Amino acid sequence: NAGVTQTPKFQVLKTGQSMTLQCAQDMNHNSMYWYRQDPGMGLRLIYYSASEGTTDKGEVPNGYNVSRLNKREFSLRLESAAPSQTSVYFCASRVTSGRALGQFFGPGTRLTVL
Amino acid sequence: EDKVVQSPLSLVVHEGDTVTLNCSYEVTNFRSLLWYKQEKKAPTFLFMLTSSGIEKKSGRLSSILDKKELFSILNITATQTGDSAIYLCAVENTPNAGGTSYGKLTFGQGTILTVHP
Repeated sequence: NAGVTQTPKFQVLKTGQSMTLQCAQDMNHNSMYWYRQDPGMGLRLIYYSASEGTTDKGEVPNGYNVSRLNKREFSLRLESAAPSQTSVYFCASRVTSGRALGQFFGPGTRLTVL
Repeated sequence: EDKVVQSPLSLVVHEGDTVTLNCSYEVTNFRSLLWYKQEKKAPTFLFMLTSSGIEKKSGRLSSILDKKELFSILNITATQTGDSAIYLCAVENTPNAGGTSYGKLTFGQGTILTVHP
C-alpha cells in the first residue's frame, strides 16, 4: 500500500496562476482532508470530505475549491493564486468505521506563490 | 469556534529528561483528542483519546485526557534526540451532539521539542 500520495511535491506559481493539487489514498478510507501548515500556526483545515460525494468547508476555505472525484481521490484547486497561499499543503484520510486510528497524512506539497 | 491551545510553544531539554506537553481545548460536540508527532515531513499519529482518565501508553510516551477540565497532557520519559520534533494536538468534533459521526479536526499550534545529547 502506498498510503496517501500527493502530487506535486514542490510548486512555484506566479500571482494569478491556477493549479490543482492531487491527492489519492489506497486504504479504502471514507474521509479525506486538505490542510495548510504555516510556521507557528499548526495545521489549518481548508476543506474536508466525510464521504464520497460530499465536501465541507474547514477553517480557511477562501481561495480554494475541492473535488472528491471518487473514494480514492480528493483534489484541491487554487483558481487564482496569491502570495498568502504560500504554504505547505497536506492531504489526509481516515477510516470512519470500526476502530479509528486517526488521520494518515500524505508527504505534503510545498507551494510558493511569487 | 473550536480552539486548541498548546503549551509550551517550544522546549529544549537534554537526553534523559522527562517532558510534559500540554493541550487545552474548547470544542462543540467533542468526540476525540489526538496527538501527532511531526518530524521533517508529514505528521504521524501517536494517540487518540476519547475517555477521561484512561492513560494511553506507547513505550516512553503516554497521554491522558481530562474531559471535565478540557485538557490533555503528553508525557515523554527518558527523552532521546530522536524525540526532537513538533508535537501536535488536535480535537475532533462530531456534527451532532452525542453523536458518533466523524467530524473535523482542529489543530493546536504545536510544541517544538528539541532534545540535546
